[in-house]
Amino acid sequence: EDQVTQSPEALRLQEGESSSLNCSYTVSGLRGLFWYRQDPGKGPEFLFTLYSAGEEKEKERLKATLTKKESFLHITAPKPEDSATYLCAVQAVMEGNQFYFGTGTSLTVIP
Amino acid sequence: DAGVIQSPRHEVTEMGQEVTLRCKPISGHNSLFWYRQTMMRGLELLIYFNNNVPIDDSGMPEDRFSAKMPNASFSTLKIQPSEPRDSAVYFCASSLVINQPQHFGDGTRLSIL
Repeated sequence: EDQVTQSPEALRLQEGESSSLNCSYTVSGLRGLFWYRQDPGKGPEFLFTLYSAGEEKEKERLKATLTKKESFLHITAPKPEDSATYLCAVQAVMEGNQFYFGTGTSLTVIP
Repeated sequence: DAGVIQSPRHEVTEMGQEVTLRCKPISGHNSLFWYRQTMMRGLELLIYFNNNVPIDDSGMPEDRFSAKMPNASFSTLKIQPSEPRDSAVYFCASSLVINQPQHFGDGTRLSIL
């Protein structure tokens, strides 16, 4: 069964048009939730870690939030350089610290 | 600081050949991970090491896959014999400790003909 589901699969935004990406998870015993950015031909680049419901982290135009069953990555006034695939990963306590990645949201920001 | 270094960046070989992928983790990191990425399945964890010891290899698809970490600064992922369905991008990542953010290399793009 799917442990991590990301939506939408793809998102096109006009420059300056804010939106949110969703990551929902079904693992029991969350040790941590991680957001990464991946550019074509590159490895994922770490953005944020969230450990408990209610936690929020911010970096430039990005803000990540966490509830008991999902996380959101909010993008405020995006720029074309924010175009990338955004990946969510969870680490599960009960499955021996296993890491599960979602399949990502491909974001395109149009000038 | 140098990040995670993987080699080769690209590998094209024929079915049945042995393939060896290499990884140098970030100095001081105690955990190392091998992933495979495909369009269909996304990123899949194959195996991870803690302090050079394999902890969980449940993601290794078959006995044709093996991984070693002889010391803290080097790991290999070997496929023998290789098959076309092994074609994917293989990533190595390291972290300071097991539950800290992982830092990824730029991957090895493997094509098995």
